[in-house]
Amino acid sequence: AQTVTQSQPEMSVQEAETVTLSCTYDTSESDYYLFWYKQPPSRQMILVIRQEAYKQQNATENRFSVNFQKAAKSFSLKISDSQLGDAAMYFCAYRSVSGSRLTFGEGTQLTVNP
Amino acid sequence: EPEVTQTPSHQVTQMGQEVILRCVPISNHLYFYWYRQILGQKVEFLVSFYNNEISEKSEIFDDQFSVERPDGSNFTLKIRSTKLEDSAMYFCASSDFGAYQYFGPGTRLTVL
Repeated sequence: AQTVTQSQPEMSVQEAETVTLSCTYDTSESDYYLFWYKQPPSRQMILVIRQEAYKQQNATENRFSVNFQKAAKSFSLKISDSQLGDAAMYFCAYRSVSGSRLTFGEGTQLTVNP
Repeated sequence: EPEVTQTPSHQVTQMGQEVILRCVPISNHLYFYWYRQILGQKVEFLVSFYNNEISEKSEIFDDQFSVERPDGSNFTLKIRSTKLEDSAMYFCASSDFGAYQYFGPGTRLTVL
């Protein structure tokens, strides 16, 4: 079974600075999808960014980018120019190409300090 | 922008009672999912549904749970006899043929 691990329960960053959230996963599959979801206090799950494992190029979405290291099974999220609205719980998630379920990590609570 | 909706936003029930959580997926989506999140814990997969049948379910999704698409728009999760440990946030999600699952705002279930 696939597992996703987020080793940082909490992180903090100063407004306008850059922060990196870590995620590692375990799988025997060669093709899959990886996601970062944001969960603000409202508890709505919001997609931040996605990465297809067959793509070597790291995904970027505005201030959000990933560092995807397939061999190391690592998928970190970098948030540049952090804003107060980025404060939330961030979940890393894995989905097999052949399956339907998302497997989530434990989450990292990000605090943005003004 | 189309979105997944869920009702009610908060449901309070007594232990042993049946509850039905409702979801309206995005209209042209074909795959539907339920997840739950116990307070302070990670989000856990319950079940996926496609073509009017369950396509995948987790170990959590035992006989007390069932899902249904009673008409062309709703997707429901029924818990037959609620337990205290069923208290959680329940999220519905839907997707088309792509990998991205769109989540609803969740229903907070409190079992007393």
